[in-house]
Amino acid sequence: QSALTQPASVSGSPGQSITISCTGASSDLDDYKYVSWYQQHPGKAPKLIISDVSHRPSGVSNRFSGSKSGNTASLTISGLHTEDEADYYCSSYTSRTFYVFGTGTRVTVL
Amino acid sequence: QVQLVESGGGVVQPGRSPRLSCAASGFTFGTYGMHWVRQAPGKGLEWVAVISYDGGNKYYADSVKGRFTISRDNSKNTLYLQMNSLRGEDTAMYYCAKESGSSTGMDVWGQGTTVTVSS
Repeated sequence: QSALTQPASVSGSPGQSITISCTGASSDLDDYKYVSWYQQHPGKAPKLIISDVSHRPSGVSNRFSGSKSGNTASLTISGLHTEDEADYYCSSYTSRTFYVFGTGTRVTVL
Repeated sequence: QVQLVESGGGVVQPGRSPRLSCAASGFTFGTYGMHWVRQAPGKGLEWVAVISYDGGNKYYADSVKGRFTISRDNSKNTLYLQMNSLRGEDTAMYYCAKESGSSTGMDVWGQGTTVTVSS
C-alpha cells in the first residue's frame, strides 16, 4: 500500500501550466525530503525528471520544476507540450518502508 | 553509453524460483546503489528492493520480504533478484535502476523484463 497519494489524472491545453500533487500519509514531516519525480511514456521505462524535491537532472527541460510544502510535494509542468502526455510518479525514501512510489498521475494534453 | 539490461523473465509457474539479472555497462557499477522496481500490468510503479554499492545493506518492500533476495556481483557488473515462492500478484514488468549518486533518485533504468506467474 503506497504512502504517497497523487491525483489520478490532470489535464491541460498546450502552453498551459499544470501542477501534480504528492501527499504523504505519514505525520513525520522529516520524511519525504528526498522526493523524486519520474515521467513514464506508455511502454517505456520511467525517466527521472526531478530529484531531491527540486533538482533537475542534466538534460531535463526547465519546464519541469518541483517543490515541497509540509507533507505535500508538487511537480509543475510549465508551457505544456504534447510530448508531456505521460504518467508521472513521485517517490521518496521514508523511515518506515525505506522507499515508496506515489500512486501515479496520468497527464493528458487536450 | 550507460546501460542496464535485464534478463531472466518469462512465464513461471506459481511456487517456482526464477532469478532475474541486470547487466550494467558504461559506468563504475561497484560505486552505486541499485534498485529493483516492478510494475504490474496497467498499474503503477512498486519499489521492490535496494542494495548498497558494496552489497552490505539490503532493504525490501513488505510485499516481497522473506521471498525475494537482492544481490550483486561487482566483478561481473551484474545485479540479481532471486524470486522464491512466486504468487500471481508477482506478475509484473521488473526494472533494475541505478541510484544517481550525486542526488537521490534513480537516474538510469533498464528496459525491463516481464515475469508472468501462471500455471
